[in-house]
Amino acid sequence: ETGVTQTPRHLVMGMTNKKSLKCEQHLGHNAMYWYKQSAKKPLELMFVYSLEERVENNSVPSRFSPECPNSSHLFLHLHTLQPEDSALYLCASSLGTDNSPLHFGNGTRLTVT
Amino acid sequence: ILNVEQSPQSLHVQEGDSTNFTCSFPSSNFYALHWYRWETAKSPEALFVMTLNGDEKKKGRISATLNTKEGYSYLYIKGSQPEDSATYLCAFYIQGAQKLVFGQGTRLTINP
Repeated sequence: ETGVTQTPRHLVMGMTNKKSLKCEQHLGHNAMYWYKQSAKKPLELMFVYSLEERVENNSVPSRFSPECPNSSHLFLHLHTLQPEDSALYLCASSLGTDNSPLHFGNGTRLTVT
Repeated sequence: ILNVEQSPQSLHVQEGDSTNFTCSFPSSNFYALHWYRWETAKSPEALFVMTLNGDEKKKGRISATLNTKEGYSYLYIKGSQPEDSATYLCAFYIQGAQKLVFGQGTRLTINP
C-alpha cells in the first residue's frame, strides 16, 4: 500500500515527553486530516488541512499541534500528553472536493504512561 | 450536537447468509453520506459516497440505499463470506466544513 503512510505504527510515551506522528500521502490529494479513535467511541475529527491551510480545529487541546509543510505531508506534534490521550490516531487524505472519499493510513497506536 | 447512529453495534452472521444494517443521520441540511469498511489491522476503506435521495449503489455483493428525507441508509451484504468480517462505518458530511461525522460502526463477524 503506497497511498497513505503513517509512522510510527506504535508509540509509547511518558507524560513529559515530546514526540511527533508523521503522515505522508502519494495520491496527489489536496486535503489531509487527523482523526482520533478512542476505545468504544466513534472516529473523532481533530484537524483538517486544505491546500496546506488549516480549515478545521475541532476544539482540540493545545498539547496536540498539527503541521502541514506541504500537501503530501502532515505531522501531529505531541507534548505533555495525558493517559486519556492514549488512542489510535489515523491520518487521511482526500481530493478536497465535497464528495471525495477519505483514504486512510493504518494509524499510530499511542500509549501515554 | 450532530448524531450519527448505527445499529446494531455488532452482528454475527452465518457464512452464505445475507444481512443488512442501518445508519441514521439528521434529515436536515443533508449533503452526502459515506460508508467505509474497516478490517482488523488494516485502514478504513471507502465503499460508497451517496448524495441523492433514493440512490442505490453496489460494489460486488455489497449495496447501499439512501433515504435523505427520513434520515437513514441501509448497507446490504448478499451471501456473506468470511472476508466480509469487518467494522462498517457510516459518516455524515457537513458541507463547507469538509467534516465527516462518523457513527460508532457495526462490527460484523461471519461464522464459517
